[in-house]
Amino acid sequence: DGGITQSPKYLFRKEGQNVTLSCEQNLNHDAMYWYRQDPGQGLRLIYYSQIVNDFQKGDIAEGYSVSREKKESFPLTVTSAQKNPTAFYLCASKLTGTGLYEQYFGPGTRLTVT
Amino acid sequence: DQQVKQNSPSLSVQEGRISILNCDYTNSMFDYFLWYKKYPAEGPTFLISISSIKDKNEDGRFTVFLNKSAKHLSLHIVPSQPGDSAVYFCAASAIIQGAQKLVFGQGTRLTINP
Repeated sequence: DGGITQSPKYLFRKEGQNVTLSCEQNLNHDAMYWYRQDPGQGLRLIYYSQIVNDFQKGDIAEGYSVSREKKESFPLTVTSAQKNPTAFYLCASKLTGTGLYEQYFGPGTRLTVT
Repeated sequence: DQQVKQNSPSLSVQEGRISILNCDYTNSMFDYFLWYKKYPAEGPTFLISISSIKDKNEDGRFTVFLNKSAKHLSLHIVPSQPGDSAVYFCAASAIIQGAQKLVFGQGTRLTINP
């Protein structure tokens, strides 16, 4: 059955290390998104991609990087330049087109950096 | 600048009663609004939505009301059930820099008491 998978569920890293979070979807969606959730805050957009080999910065892109080499995959790298990387990271995807608004979310990855 | 605000961080309602969750927005360019439900350590799931050209949309126990002049929307859940206990996010859609994006509120934690 179709859906979005994120792995791993929990990730622990030492400060100064880069870490890559996986996001895969088999929904045949064109657009994919990465969000970050912190306690008491809504979801904030990190990066998004509307098509393969193209992506754009969101509201809080500093310290993050992405790639979109395949339609199904949109990995997020949290670099050592990200000042406060500990958070819950959510990947989403959607169909593109007029009248299509709903984004479908993966289960999330909880990243803890110490 | 918080364009979508949910001013109540938490709400407690007795089982069987009505739950009303509120959301305010500032940007007149938003053309579609969505409510998502989120359990701890999981991704948000879509609940109900409304176009900016409507003032009400109903789906079973869930009804969303939109007051465009007041830039306010609300989610009504009746009757409330224990399984409704979750964090609810309001999201507003707009075309920003050529891409459809969702802007999320901070969320309201709903607790249904038996």
